[in-house]
Amino acid sequence: EPEVTQTPSHQVTQMGQEVILRCVPISNHLYFYWYRQILGQKVEFLVSFYNNEISEKSEIFDDQFSVERPDGSNFTLKIRSTKLEDSAMYFCASTSGGGSREQYFGPGTRLTVT
Amino acid sequence: GEDVEQSLFLSVREGDSSVINCTYTDSSSTYLYWYKQEPGAGLQLLTYIFSNMDMKQDQRLTVLLNKKDKHLSLRIADTQTGDSAIYFCAPGSGANNLFFGTGTRLTVIP
Repeated sequence: EPEVTQTPSHQVTQMGQEVILRCVPISNHLYFYWYRQILGQKVEFLVSFYNNEISEKSEIFDDQFSVERPDGSNFTLKIRSTKLEDSAMYFCASTSGGGSREQYFGPGTRLTVT
Repeated sequence: GEDVEQSLFLSVREGDSSVINCTYTDSSSTYLYWYKQEPGAGLQLLTYIFSNMDMKQDQRLTVLLNKKDKHLSLRIADTQTGDSAIYFCAPGSGANNLFFGTGTRLTVIP
């Protein structure tokens, strides 16, 4: 069964460093998302991406964040200068859109900023 | 954004039914999802219901939707220890982003 994959599973970085979180959505999907979950809190929407551009973003997704689909398979989230409060689990999701409404989530990347 | 509320904890005995409730605020939500998260794992899509339906059954899972009261519930029949997890209600609109509730931690007592 196709699935969303994410790498790395755990990333530790120092405050102020740049990180790139990688996702490979399901191959025929057209809509891509990033969500985050701070430990013990609810899952929060960050950004959605369709047709090579951001279609929607939340207040959390400020200038420190960017997304890219550098090739036909990867979807990345970059945090330019990490802060302690960026420590969270980051989930990538995708859906085919059209007649399908099912968003499939990857296993997540745990980001720890020290 | 949308506000989504769930009870934080639910404990049931193995073999009993579990009912997890959710209320939401955005009446334009057209698809309402239930996700399961096991410890240290990602979000597993369990089921979803279209807003023009009142009920959907999928094996041991029954979703009930009261659109007037903006209330959604997930019933798990014959609950097993493997059902212990956090369950998230997530209303959405088609391919748009989802708003997640706080999650309900279900504990199944053997």
